[in-house]
Amino acid sequence: GESVGLHLPTLSVQEGDNSIINCAYSNSASDYFIWYKQESGKGPQFIIDIRSNMDKRQGQRVTVLLNKTVKHLSLQIAATQPGDSAVYFCAETASYQKVTFGIGTKLQVIP
Amino acid sequence: ETGVTQTPRHLVMGMTNKKSLKCEQHLGHNAMYWYKQSAKKPLELMFVYSLEERVENNSVPSRFSPECPNSSHLFLHLHTLQPEDSALYLCASSPGGGLGDYEQYFGPGTRLTVT
Repeated sequence: GESVGLHLPTLSVQEGDNSIINCAYSNSASDYFIWYKQESGKGPQFIIDIRSNMDKRQGQRVTVLLNKTVKHLSLQIAATQPGDSAVYFCAETASYQKVTFGIGTKLQVIP
Repeated sequence: ETGVTQTPRHLVMGMTNKKSLKCEQHLGHNAMYWYKQSAKKPLELMFVYSLEERVENNSVPSRFSPECPNSSHLFLHLHTLQPEDSALYLCASSPGGGLGDYEQYFGPGTRLTVT
């Protein structure tokens, strides 16, 4: 079946810099996207979501961008902090269908 | 923290053992899920229960047997597992009841090692 993938398995960022984590998806019918954060020893935690009728959504220090033309999703974290170190993965779903998760990108914040 | 607890947090078992994983949600949700998380692989949905009825069995080997006695508890019974079954097993719950219910709250997982 169609799946969600990520470009970079590991991303190292200096503390205070901005982080950008990318995700490519292949199901053109997907209409809802989610970013999860998974810290070591914990389960995934919802960060932010976006519907396909939007191209940008902002949260607290995080922004998700959606480019439906190229089926690309990104998560931007402003002023990255040590507590942001985790694995981030995107997920997609089309209406009333299963949520499909990506592999994940490990974000390492360098103090 | 998320309202979903899992026990045990770590489990080492031999291939001939029988063990069970337990999940409990304190959120009043209607649906519960089992996922398998292996290194360098996406989360794999195993089972979905909606209002205690199994609505998804995602081609999981019969050595994994789920049980949902009520909407707050979910078990995964394990027997004659293989080393490749070693993974993090995550439980989740959601307020709705469908497969497309994306508002899922995850537990911390059980790290399973099969020797």
